[in-house]
Amino acid sequence: EVQLVQSGGEVKKPGESLKISCKGSGFSFHRYWIAWVRQMPGKGLEWMGIIYPGDSDTRYSPSFQGQVSISVDESINTAFLQWRSLKASDTAIYYCARRDDRGLAYGMDVWGQGTTVIVS
Amino acid sequence: DIQLTQSPSSLSASVGDRVTITCRASLAISSYLSWYLQKPGKAPKLLISAASSLQSGVPSRFSGSGSGTDFTLTISSLQPEDFATYYCQQSYSSHWTFGQGTRVEIK
Repeated sequence: EVQLVQSGGEVKKPGESLKISCKGSGFSFHRYWIAWVRQMPGKGLEWMGIIYPGDSDTRYSPSFQGQVSISVDESINTAFLQWRSLKASDTAIYYCARRDDRGLAYGMDVWGQGTTVIVS
Repeated sequence: DIQLTQSPSSLSASVGDRVTITCRASLAISSYLSWYLQKPGKAPKLLISAASSLQSGVPSRFSGSGSGTDFTLTISSLQPEDFATYYCQQSYSSHWTFGQGTRVEIK
């Protein structure tokens, strides 16, 4: 089964660091771009950035550049989203998602279950 | 960044109704537009890519159209499981963006 499984929810204090994960299975992980999407409580979806496991090419939304780091460990089919110093405003659900490889006009066809991060 | 504006922000409809949601881009994005459905507490689900390509397994009552700056998602006959929030998303630029969402509620 093609799936992305994310790490469990986290409760952290402001100023703490955090790294959450997204493990792919059932597909050739290194061939697919993996994106991260934020959803703040009661709000819409925000695209944060994307990484290509094959060469670690990474793009960030200007809104998130410098605020988070996206990385990947191809050997374990896992992508990561990391914060050095959390703020209360980072409280949200974070989703990882696979970009459909049929072309640039295609969207994100496989999603993780989401990781809830609470900073308080 | 390319801005996507969805309208309406919310709507009330009955089972069996035809529903249309529009998405307008701040600049031309060819057909680089996708549509998603999200139910409360669940991850989004991809419905349509490339403006009009229905994702495998998605019911045929869903359809998408448009190119350039104006796009439409149509549900031909609304079903109980379709009450949810819908988002458009562009992949034309290297910085993808979502619309603000359209909530479809039961009338």
